[in-house]
Amino acid sequence: ETGVTQSPTHLIKTRGQQVTLRCSSQSGHNTVSWYQQALGQGPQFIFQYYREEENGRGNFPPRFSGLQFPNYSSELNVNALELDDSALYLCASSLPGTMNTEAFFGQGTRLTVV
Amino acid sequence: AQSVTQLDSQVPVFEEAPVELRCNYSSSVSVYLFWYVQYPNQGLQLLLKYLSGSTLVKGINGFEAEFNKSQTSFHLRKPSVHISDTAEYFCAVRDPNTGNQFYFGTGTSLTVIP
Repeated sequence: ETGVTQSPTHLIKTRGQQVTLRCSSQSGHNTVSWYQQALGQGPQFIFQYYREEENGRGNFPPRFSGLQFPNYSSELNVNALELDDSALYLCASSLPGTMNTEAFFGQGTRLTVV
Repeated sequence: AQSVTQLDSQVPVFEEAPVELRCNYSSSVSVYLFWYVQYPNQGLQLLLKYLSGSTLVKGINGFEAEFNKSQTSFHLRKPSVHISDTAEYFCAVRDPNTGNQFYFGTGTSLTVIP
């Protein structure tokens, strides 16, 4: 059984550009959450997807959007990148029925906006 | 919204000495509590979790934590640390009634000195 995998591992973008980050959830996990971890901070919740629909959102502007696909993989899209968007983006997946009690995190995508 | 306070941003400790990493959370209602570890350039790995029942929770790598409802604390302990325990440690809380997100503290950097 593979774990949560994210791609790419590192990315450099220019301010104003758009970026797409990808996450493959652990086998059988139908819930995917995205977190932003700025340098020296704890992860901050962006949003969660459950069965292809957004199921909760943190305090992030609309230029942060997402998708979940039928195979439960997910994308995080960020438009009009700002310098403060530079961070480690973490994806976490959960088993059905345990999304409150367990989450498995990927290694993250390190995004640098210049 | 929940908030999590990790009182120590950095904790240096000698190898084989005991360590306690402190965590307090804001809510007095029933919550789920977690400790995650993050090694350099890695995602988050679950150390242990408290959902209900016994207030002393044992996790991986010899770590344990004690839930104290009256003090809204969930401190992490290890009786004897190893060099390999050097990492960032995050305390997190989840409200099973309202939330689909983890609220993380800002992390404690544990450095084990040989």
